[in-house]
Amino acid sequence: EVQLAESGGGSVQPGESLRLSCDASGFSFSDYWMTWVRQVPGRGLEWVASIKADGSEVYYVDSVEGRFSISRDNAKNSLHLQMNSLRVGDAAFYYCVRDRQSPILMPGVYHDWGRGVLVTVSS
Amino acid sequence: FQLTQPHSVSASPGKTVTIPCTRSSGNIGSRYVQWYQQRPGRSPTTVIFEDTQRSSGVPGRFSASIDTSSNSASLVISGLTTEDEADYYCQSYDSGVQVFGGGTRLTVL
Repeated sequence: EVQLAESGGGSVQPGESLRLSCDASGFSFSDYWMTWVRQVPGRGLEWVASIKADGSEVYYVDSVEGRFSISRDNAKNSLHLQMNSLRVGDAAFYYCVRDRQSPILMPGVYHDWGRGVLVTVSS
Repeated sequence: FQLTQPHSVSASPGKTVTIPCTRSSGNIGSRYVQWYQQRPGRSPTTVIFEDTQRSSGVPGRFSASIDTSSNSASLVISGLTTEDEADYYCQSYDSGVQVFGGGTRLTVL
């Protein structure tokens, strides 16, 4: 059974940083693209970032480019999202998602979702 | 590109409902479309991937299709039950960028 467990959420002030983690199990982590998706409570889903199976390619939504960094540790089956210069608009639930299997060239077909972790940004 | 869905749809138990998703630019058939279900207070789950493929454990009452003439995708749910009440999101991608529709609230009344 695929399991994705997010951690690292919390409450911060604008301009501060947080690092989210996702521990994966139940599948061959190093074979899959991985993605972060977020959702403001009561609103729709928004793609945030994706990383290729070997970490060689990353993609970001424009609104987080230059502030967020997605990374992975295939030896530890873990995915990370370093979030710097956080804004009020970044407050949301963040979901870790198992995406497509390599060597597919593009991410964007989600198969499994974590339970999510809440990030709150307020002064 | 954008994906446009109706804000809400409703139907009675046992009936069939169709949720459309229209792509604003680019060919709907050029990239796979996925559908996700999100029940209140829960994380999303995958219902349909790669246009028409049901995710494991999803009942056969759920189906989907692509219509290139209208540049749209559709999710069809037949034999509606109250368990189907949820938000449904379509999603696609292109060149690394991934896009969700705004979501459709399905009410079974």
